[in-house]
Order: sequence, then structure tokens, then C-alpha cells
Amino acid sequence: AQRVTQPEKLLSVFKGAPVELKCNYSYSGSPELFWYVQYSRQRLQLLLRHISRESIKGFTADLNKGETSFHLKKPFAQEEDSAMYYCALRGGWGTDKLIFGTGTRLQVFP
Amino acid sequence: NAGVTQTPKFQVLKTGQSMTLQCAQDMNHEYMSWYRQDPGMGLRLIHYSVGAGITDQGEVPNGYNVSRSTTEDFPLRLLSAAPSQTSVYFCASSGTSGANSYNEQFFGPGTRLTVL
Repeated sequence: AQRVTQPEKLLSVFKGAPVELKCNYSYSGSPELFWYVQYSRQRLQLLLRHISRESIKGFTADLNKGETSFHLKKPFAQEEDSAMYYCALRGGWGTDKLIFGTGTRLQVFP
Repeated sequence: NAGVTQTPKFQVLKTGQSMTLQCAQDMNHEYMSWYRQDPGMGLRLIHYSVGAGITDQGEVPNGYNVSRSTTEDFPLRLLSAAPSQTSVYFCASSGTSGANSYNEQFFGPGTRLTVL
């Protein structure tokens, strides 16, 4: 079964501390994974996708097929990073269907 | 471009009432979908459409109907509202997905629905 698991509902850190938001997935084929972010009073928006291998706002995420993980990392958290983060899995070949995890709220304290 | 728009922003219904949540996009996207967002549950797919005249069920379709008569619009209908449908509803759209590509999904601002 296709599934995305985000084990942490809430992650609280101080500004400047490293951040790692965990995401594990279950998928029988070759997965495509994404991180979406929802800032307060804003729309859900794409943060990054594993195919791009890019760093957005200092965040990176590496797909680890052996551990079936796609953890989101940032070496130095900023207060403006406080938001809800969702890991998502593309639900099938040739489709835009997304399967979301339950989300992790990141709080960055000054 | 307005992107993805949703109306209304807020709605309160009584059990048994019906209503339609509106969603429109002006990006000529073929793929549109509806999600509900509940605390501790994340976003769950209700229904989706890969083009005008084509719709399919997602993970939690019961109690909801959709239709796609135009590329731009994808309304979500609640025929007989229940308290369990209290949620925040998001509409999203994206361009045609190729076999080896993914088109970014753009989300609307959401509709907060309360069913008493």
C-alpha cells in the first residue's frame, strides 16, 4: 500500500539550531517525493521535490531508497521557517495524484 | 492570473443541508483535485479530475459529488452535510502529467466548513 508517514506532529527548535523533519514512505515502484509547506494564513505550496535535487530556502531532502525515507533538513533554522510541513508521494505513474503525510508543525523560537 | 480560487472562504451548515464548494483555475490546467485537511490526518484526497468530463474517486469520496463540465471549474457538492464533514477543504490544479514528469500542484486558499 502507498503510504507516507511523518512521525512528529510538532518539532520545536531555537533559531540557529539544525532541523530535521522526518518522512518515511511505502511504495512498490520508483517513488517521487515532495515537500509542501503551509505558512500561517497562506496557501499550501511546493517547497522541493526529490527529482530536482535542489535546495530551497536552505532546506534539502535526500531520497534514501534503502531506508524508504525523505527527511527534510536545514542546518540553521530561522524564525520564518515556522510552518506546517507535509511530505507527499506521487500516487502513481503518469498521474498527479498526491498522497500526503499527516504533517509536522515546525516552531522556531527566537 | 488569479491562480486557483475557492468560494466561499467560510461556511456553516446544519446537518442535512446541501451546498456546493466552488473551485476555479485560470491556468488551463487539466488536473484538478479536492482535499480535506483535518488535524492529525493531513490532507486526504476526496475526488480528482484529469480533464473536462472525467472524474474519479480519491481516498475519502463518500458524501461528496463532483463534476467537471469545463477545464476551469471543479465544484464539490455535499448533498446532505454531516458533522463528520467539518473540515478545511482545498482545491488544487496542475498541468498534464507526462510519464516522466510532474507538474507542480497549485492550491487554493481553502474553505473552512463547519457542520452543526
